[in-house]
Amino acid sequence: GEDVEQSLFLSVREGDSSVINCTYTDSSSTYLYWYKQEPGAGLQLLTYIFSNMDMKQDQRLTVLLNKKDKHLSLRIADTQTGDSAIYFCAERKTSYDKVIFGPGTSLSVIP
Amino acid sequence: DVKVTQSSRYLVKRTGEKVFLECVQDMDHENMFWYRQDPGLGLRLIYFSYDVKMKEKGDIPEGYSVSREKKERFSLILESASTNQTSMYLCASRGLAGVGADTQYFGPGTRLTVL
Repeated sequence: GEDVEQSLFLSVREGDSSVINCTYTDSSSTYLYWYKQEPGAGLQLLTYIFSNMDMKQDQRLTVLLNKKDKHLSLRIADTQTGDSAIYFCAERKTSYDKVIFGPGTSLSVIP
Repeated sequence: DVKVTQSSRYLVKRTGEKVFLECVQDMDHENMFWYRQDPGLGLRLIYFSYDVKMKEKGDIPEGYSVSREKKERFSLILESASTNQTSMYLCASRGLAGVGADTQYFGPGTRLTVL
């Protein structure tokens, strides 16, 4: 399909791990991104992964990429209340300079 | 740090008014973008600009125009605002070289309400 897909909502308990999943559209996409949007704010780049990688870790964040299934995930270890936000998955197609965003997953962290 | 600023955080306009949304970036980035964000739809690209005086239509350009007279500034214009243009508008910029190249940096957004 043409759309980047994500679940719209996720709820976890403080201290647990969160896993946010994304299915993207183009197996030739070069860059895949995760952005975070806190209430009332713009998007902040969290991390990105090149398509020739299958995993990237950055402190509490782990990104997994399955190119065959066009599946991207973001794992947040030891989730904190400050992680409550909307998380956007995005892909950049190689044939055009456009970035395609998913609808965003709203993460709620329960104390 | 890259800084992208937008002229207003909140704006209320009446139907038929001409509306200007301004975006300024301080990193000498070549590319700039305007998106609108609506619940459940994510971000949709309105217009983008590869460089000064250049512009390209995005996915939903109808009812909008843009201006890029200087490299640091990208303006979004609603010629005659309508209620269906009530939305959050996000500006972004992207450099082509150096730290953060190929990554979009976003402004804080302007929440526009058209009555």
